[in-house]
Amino acid sequence: NAGVTQTPKFQVLKTGQSMTLQCAQDMNHNSMYWYRQDPGMGLRLIYYSASEGTTDKGEVPNGYNVSRLNKREFSLRLESAAPSQTSVYFCASTPPGRGHQPQHFGDGTRLSIL
Amino acid sequence: DQQVKQNSPSLSVQEGRISILNCDYTNSMFDYFLWYKKYPAEGPTFLISISSIKDKNEDGRFTVFLNKSAKHLSLHIVPSQPGDSAVYFCAAKPFRGATNKLIFGTGTLLAVQP
Repeated sequence: NAGVTQTPKFQVLKTGQSMTLQCAQDMNHNSMYWYRQDPGMGLRLIYYSASEGTTDKGEVPNGYNVSRLNKREFSLRLESAAPSQTSVYFCASTPPGRGHQPQHFGDGTRLSIL
Repeated sequence: DQQVKQNSPSLSVQEGRISILNCDYTNSMFDYFLWYKKYPAEGPTFLISISSIKDKNEDGRFTVFLNKSAKHLSLHIVPSQPGDSAVYFCAAKPFRGATNKLIFGTGTLLAVQP
């Protein structure tokens, strides 16, 4: 079971470069999420997709765009990278159904912007 | 404005003893709470959860307690094992949040000493 797969695992960018972080899940989950984790800040939601074809802003969306390509894939794009976007990025997904469903996380992408 | 707070950045416990991790929240509309465990270079993994209609939920060595009047929850690990050494995040879900969006605390690093 692959679960939630994120690529790449590591990336170094220069300020102003663009980059797309990929996320795919093979669990037939409906909802997908992008978080960033910074020291002392916990995980903060960037964007989420409740279902295929829909996306919405989270807590810290500025500087990012997302695409829900299909049910499996949810990508995060940095159009013009800034040093403040140096972080660890996590993708997560939740299954369909009523009630509360825990989120399943990928192992993260560590992004450094110089 | 941090709606979910983990005021202890770190905790050190002897193997076999009890570990107690604490979490406070400010929003009385939260109706579901979760604990995640995170090892270095991995994504968070779901550990245990509790609904706001309960005050205790137990799963093996892990028990979560919820005190709604104090807006406080805690995670008890008994007995603690070296493999429990990780960062623990508490998270809260707002009521009627159909998207399962979560608000995370900043995390507590637990070190279990052999």
